[in-house]
Amino acid sequence: EIVMTQSPATLSVSPGERATLSCTASQSVRTNLAWYQQRPGQAPRLLIHGASTRATGIPARFSGSGSETEFTLTISGLQSEDFAVYYCQQYKSWPRTFGQGTKLEIK
Amino acid sequence: EVQLVDSAGGVVKPGGSLRLSCVGSGFTFSTYGFAWVRQAPGKGLEWVSLISSSTDYIYYADSVKGRFTISRDNAKNSLYLQMNSLRAEDTAVYYCARAYDFWGGSDYFDYWGLGTLVTVSS
Repeated sequence: EIVMTQSPATLSVSPGERATLSCTASQSVRTNLAWYQQRPGQAPRLLIHGASTRATGIPARFSGSGSETEFTLTISGLQSEDFAVYYCQQYKSWPRTFGQGTKLEIK
Repeated sequence: EVQLVDSAGGVVKPGGSLRLSCVGSGFTFSTYGFAWVRQAPGKGLEWVSLISSSTDYIYYADSVKGRFTISRDNAKNSLYLQMNSLRAEDTAVYYCARAYDFWGGSDYFDYWGLGTLVTVSS
């Protein structure tokens, strides 16, 4: 099983600033990596797939990068609705696995 | 509009069984793979199981293998999760999710249900 490790567990950033979230895979997943956002009390929402492709309707301030084992989600110009929990997920090997999440909170 | 509507969960005693269902609408249900993802209270997401469009391929997380069974009825636009031998650690919100393109190897989840709470407690 591929283990996905996200860092940091909690990230405190001021509105308008940039947030950088990391996800590391225990073995290569190539670019078979997705990012999801989960707001309190809501279902997850797809942000990024293929490591760097924004899903339909996702604002350009969200960007993803990386390949193989190291991935980054960057959110520029943070808005109030961006403060949430973010998860990475690999879809290269079975079983599919999620990272443990990064909570993005207001500084 | 794509919609996934989960059935109500419930409270079950340890060792008991429960069947979850999820109905899809607004798209051609039979052409997509689907999965169940769960989230224990205050915890992260856990991938549970996935079934391909034609049911040829089924996968499970080790934590539920042998106890849970995923299935679907394309005529009813429905996805199911039969959960047996339930344990306290199975307590979670269970989400159904649509896999974008299983056959293309891109089975990330583009649509999610709202989730249903399953509580395993005596």
